[in-house]
Amino acid sequence: EPEVTQTPSHQVTQMGQEVILRCVPISNHLYFYWYRQILGQKVEFLVSFYNNEISEKSEIFDDQFSVERPDGSNFTLKIRSTKLEDSAMYFCASSDWDSYYGYTFGSGTRLTVV
Amino acid sequence: QQQVKQSPQSLIVQKGGISIINCAYENTAFDYFPWYQQFPGKGPALLIAIRPDVSEKKEGRFTISFNKSAKQFSLHIMDSQPGDSATYFCAASMEGETSGSRLTFGEGTQLTVNP
Repeated sequence: EPEVTQTPSHQVTQMGQEVILRCVPISNHLYFYWYRQILGQKVEFLVSFYNNEISEKSEIFDDQFSVERPDGSNFTLKIRSTKLEDSAMYFCASSDWDSYYGYTFGSGTRLTVV
Repeated sequence: QQQVKQSPQSLIVQKGGISIINCAYENTAFDYFPWYQQFPGKGPALLIAIRPDVSEKKEGRFTISFNKSAKQFSLHIMDSQPGDSATYFCAASMEGETSGSRLTFGEGTQLTVNP
């Protein structure tokens, strides 16, 4: 079964440092997403990406965040200057031409900001 | 308007029993209601989903009941097994042709099935 792959699985960074979280979505999918889950809380939408541009973003996705699809396979989330409150699990997801079809999440990157 | 409220927060069921998790939403524009199962350290995995044009959908031991007028939907797990022990999230979405589908999640229910 096709998978969404995320790397690294765990990243520890110092406050103020930049981090890049990487994702390889399912190859024929058209829509790409980032979500985050603070420990013990619900999963929250960050951003969706379609046709090489951001299509929707939440109020969480401020100027500290950016996304990019640098080539045909990778999808990245960059946090410019990390804060303690950015510590969370970050999930990448992708879906097909029917944006509900095959909506699949990766296993996540646990980001710890110290 | 975008919120999805889920209850209970935690649920303990005996093996073979029925687990019931409830969700309520406010935005009548939502047109897709999935349930996700999450094991520790893993991403959410789609369990079952429903659209508002049907009142019930069943897949194996999992059933979604949908009440459009009450803006509520629920997950029933029949013959609950210890392997079902996980966190369950309801979600809701509006499909956007160019924006994709932003999922709004409920708060989650920690289900424990005792052997």
